[in-house]
Amino acid sequence: SAVISQKPSRDICQRGTSLTIQCQVDSQVTMMFWYRQQPGQSLTLIATANQGSEATYESGFVIDKFPISRPNLTFSTLTVSNMSPEDSSIYLCSLRRTGNTEAFFGQGTRLTVV
Amino acid sequence: GENVEQHPSTLSVQEGDSAVIKCTYSDSASNYFPWYKQELGKGPQLIIDIRSNVGEKKDQRIAVTLNKTAKHFSLHITETQPEDSAVYFCAAIKSGAQKLVFGQGTRLTINP
Repeated sequence: SAVISQKPSRDICQRGTSLTIQCQVDSQVTMMFWYRQQPGQSLTLIATANQGSEATYESGFVIDKFPISRPNLTFSTLTVSNMSPEDSSIYLCSLRRTGNTEAFFGQGTRLTVV
Repeated sequence: GENVEQHPSTLSVQEGDSAVIKCTYSDSASNYFPWYKQELGKGPQLIIDIRSNVGEKKDQRIAVTLNKTAKHFSLHITETQPEDSAVYFCAAIKSGAQKLVFGQGTRLTINP
């Protein structure tokens, strides 16, 4: 397993503002991912956070809206920019270790935009 | 790319009965199939997984079966308990791929 610390656990934000979500893991991992989970829905991959380089975004997600940083192998941030009520979701970070297909998730950040 | 279909979307069973959730996948190269349990307000938790070189795996009350020919895999929970109530997700991935592909999820309710 893995220890993943994600914060904040929840937040209520005003539209037009930005929120940065942090993800800290207990050991060096190769792959870190950010997911969005809209109410009652499955997990949708936003991007793969690459250490030392720009994140790789999935179709429908852009860097200007969801900038991601990964300054080292144990830490990553996701920013939800210029928020609107449609951004209200749970945001989850996930990791996979080198040579291992098992994926683990943080507790999630429940974001409400008003 | 890979596509994973999960059924049913909701499932309600009496405590003590068995529950079965089924998933089908499209990419025959997929070779790793995890199942996640997500309780309210928490992130998904890996509960069991299976690789394509085996047909069945069991861990206490939970088992997963895989039919590679038909490209489907199932989660079986026996002697269900109220704490089994949660949303369950299946997923699939192939070697060398980075992204897990998730099913749509099943909301399981155990009635006391």
